[in-house]
Order: sequence, then structure tokens, then C-alpha cells
Amino acid sequence: NSKVIQTPRYLVKGQGQKAKMRCIPEKGHPVVFWYQQNKNNEFKFLINFQNQEVLQQIDMTEKRFSAECPSNSPCSLEIQSSEAGDSALYLCASSLSRGASAETLYFGSGTRLTVL
Amino acid sequence: TQTVSQSDAHVTVFEGDSVELRCNYSYGGSIYLSWYIQHHGHGLQFLLKYYSGNPVVQGVNGFEAEFSKSDSSFHLRKASVHWSDSAVYFCAVTANYGSSGNKLIFGIGTLLSVKP
Repeated sequence: NSKVIQTPRYLVKGQGQKAKMRCIPEKGHPVVFWYQQNKNNEFKFLINFQNQEVLQQIDMTEKRFSAECPSNSPCSLEIQSSEAGDSALYLCASSLSRGASAETLYFGSGTRLTVL
Repeated sequence: TQTVSQSDAHVTVFEGDSVELRCNYSYGGSIYLSWYIQHHGHGLQFLLKYYSGNPVVQGVNGFEAEFSKSDSSFHLRKASVHWSDSAVYFCAVTANYGSSGNKLIFGIGTLLSVKP
């Protein structure tokens, strides 16, 4: 069973408000991913890290989304000004390596964001 | 470009039946495929993966999948389902970005409903 811990489970925000969610990756996993899963089960990759370094992120992330994985603290994903279209399940995952394409991802239970 | 297609949005079977959930992919290089399960209200759990060798791979809880290069498929099977197998199943292909790491490209999922 995965030991990726995401908090909070549920997050409700008004439009324009900040929304912040956290993730503790599985112990010993240096690579962390954030995905957005919408109500149609479509997954959108947002960003990934190795330790504190950003490996890859999409354009959407660069504008209103910010993320970090500080040393000895939980990783976080923050939306600066929430929009209704941001309502989704945000999934954090971790893995042992970025280089091995066969590497398994271990997912947390997600943070369900609702933007009113 | 790598894409994943799951042609069945919803599959309904009775407990004890066998089931096959279909997955087809398109690829531009090496193939790394996996299946994940998502129970309602939870994150994704890894089931199994294929990256080389025997095209039939065994996973957790009696699931197996068979890779076919000629058909570009990676169908998931179980000989005898249990009501607890009711969930959404996602097929995924790993896209490799060199030094930027990997990311999973998901299909839109197949909802498996197991009736008593």
C-alpha cells in the first residue's frame, strides 16, 4: 500500500482565493509528481520534482500554479487565484527514480478541490 | 506522441465471472505500460506493469495483462472477479523526457461494476 500522504482531503475555495495542498512522498522517494484529475477522469500532468529541483512543468503551472518540494518539509501545490475550472482531484505521486521508465508511481489519496 | 485508448467506458459483470478490460496505445519509442486501479474517493493504486520479457505480466489480486506489439494492446484480465474489484481501471503508458524524467499518460479509465 502507498504511503504517500496528501492533505487536506477536501478543500473548498471561492473564486480568486488561494488554494494550497500538501504532499509527503513515500520515504526514500526523491521524485514527486502532481497530476490533476477532472470529473471526466482526464489526467493532466502539472509538474514533477527530483528533490527540490523542478524537472518539468506545463504552461498552466507556470502562470497561476506554484509548487515546491523543500528539504525536510512536505511538498506543496498552490493555486494563487482559484478559478471554477480548477475544481478537480489533485493527485501527488512519488517514485524512486526519474531515469527508469519502468519505475512505478505511488499515489496519495488526493485533495479534492472545489472552487465555488 | 504517446496516447492511450480505453474503448469501454463501463463494464458490468457478475461476481465469479471473468473480465477483460481493453487498452490500446500508440507509441514513438520504447514501450512501458501499466495498469492502475482507483476505488471511489481514493487515489490510484498500482496493479502491474510491462517493460520487457514475458508479454503476460502478473499483478496483485489475481490480475494479469498481456502485451501485444502487433495489436498495440495491453489488455487487463481477471479469471474470477469479486465485488471488491468494482472500481475504475486506468491504463497508462510512460513517456520518457530524458533528463526531465518520465511521466505517465493515462487513458480515460474503465469503470468495472461487479454485481453480486
